[in-house]
Amino acid sequence: DAGVTQSPTHLIKTRGQQVTLRCSPKSGHDTVSWYQQALGQGPQFIFQYYEEEERQRGNFPDRFSGHQFPNYSSELNVNALLLGDSALYLCASSPISGRQETQYFGPGTRLLVL
Amino acid sequence: GNSVTQMEGPVTLSEEAFLTINCTYTATGYPSLFWYVQYPGEGLQLLLKATKADDKGSNKGFEATYRKETTSFHLEKGSVQVSDSAVYFCALASGNTPLVFGKGTRLSVIA
Repeated sequence: DAGVTQSPTHLIKTRGQQVTLRCSPKSGHDTVSWYQQALGQGPQFIFQYYEEEERQRGNFPDRFSGHQFPNYSSELNVNALLLGDSALYLCASSPISGRQETQYFGPGTRLLVL
Repeated sequence: GNSVTQMEGPVTLSEEAFLTINCTYTATGYPSLFWYVQYPGEGLQLLLKATKADDKGSNKGFEATYRKETTSFHLEKGSVQVSDSAVYFCALASGNTPLVFGKGTRLSVIA
């Protein structure tokens, strides 16, 4: 049983560019959450998708957007990249929206903005 | 709002030493509390959890007790191994809120 997978593993972009990160949830999970983990910090919640809709959102600007597909996979899009967007982006899946304790995390995508 | 404060690292211990990583929280209502571990190059793994006061979570020799009176959830292990070297995150969730994490504590265990 495959766990949460994310792609790509690493990415280098320049300021002002746009980036798309992808996540496939664990089998049987229908809820996907995205977190940003800056160097030396704990993960910060970006948003959560369930039934192809954004259900909850953290304190992130509109440059951060997402999408969930019918097969429950998800994308995180960041527009107009800033140097401060450099971070590890973690995707987590869970079987039922709101059951935070059952979140399973992927290995993350490390984004570097130059 | 909800918040988690955990002791700053890094923490360096010799193999078989006793480990304590302190964690305190601020939350409305009755949160669930968690410890996650992040091994080098990997994502977060749920290590243990407790959902109500006085509950003790345990896994792989690690333990933490939910102390409502002191708003704490300290992580302990009686005898650490080199393979325990990782970053440990304390986290909470209250109701339907997303997970709120502490900044993490890096543990290095030397042989």
